[in-house]
Amino acid sequence: GAVVSQHPSRVICKSGTSVKIECRSLDFQATTMFWYRQFPKQSLMLMATSNEGSKATYEQGVEKDKFLINHASLTLSTLTVTSAHPEDSSFYICSASDRANTEAFFGQGTRLTVV
Amino acid sequence: GEDVEQSLFLSVREGDSSVINCTYTDSSSTYLYWYKQEPGAGLQLLTYIFSNMDMKQDQRLTVLLNKKDKHLSLRIADTQTGDSAIYFCAESLTGGGNKLTFGTGTQLKVEL
Repeated sequence: GAVVSQHPSRVICKSGTSVKIECRSLDFQATTMFWYRQFPKQSLMLMATSNEGSKATYEQGVEKDKFLINHASLTLSTLTVTSAHPEDSSFYICSASDRANTEAFFGQGTRLTVV
Repeated sequence: GEDVEQSLFLSVREGDSSVINCTYTDSSSTYLYWYKQEPGAGLQLLTYIFSNMDMKQDQRLTVLLNKKDKHLSLRIADTQTGDSAIYFCAESLTGGGNKLTFGTGTQLKVEL
C-alpha cells in the first residue's frame, strides 16, 4: 500500500514554544490530508481537513490560530502547534488520500510532550 | 451527530477466536472499516465493508454487518499474540479517502 511518513515521531518542547509536525505522502499525490489527535486510551478525534492549495477546514472546537495547517504541495502537509502548553501534549496522527479517494493512509504518529 | 461505540477491552487465549463489536448511530454510513493500532504507532487498515454487504471474509478476518441494528463485528480466527493491539472501527459517509469517524477502540490482549 501507499506510504505516509510523519516526522518527528517524538518531540518534547518547552511550554510557550511552537512545534511543527510534517506529514508526507511518499509514493502518491495526496489531494487531501487529515490531522487527528489521540489522547491516551482514547479514540482519534479529527482536528482538520486540509486540501492542497486551499485553507484547512477545522472541526468545531479546534482553534485554527493555535493549530496552523499548511498543505502547500501534493506530498506535504504540516501542522504547527503554536505557543504549546502541557494540555497540548498528545499523539497527533495524519492521514492522506489520493485522487481516487478510495482509502486513507496513516502516518506513524507524533508523540508531543510539552513540559 | 455520529457516534461509534466499542467495548474497551477483550482478552482471549492464543488459538481461540476473537470477536470485537462496534455499534454506530448514523444510518447513512456508507463504508465501515476496521483499523489496528499497535503501541505508539499509526493505524493500519485491516478490512472494510460497504453498507450494502452483510459479510466479508479476508483470510483470518470476518466482518459482519447488521445494518438494521447498526452493528458491526470483526472476528479474528486463530488469534495470535501478534494480534494484540487496539482495534478501531470507523465509519465514513463518502468513502475511505474522506472524513472518518472512529469508535472508542477495543484493546485486544492475547494470552498464551
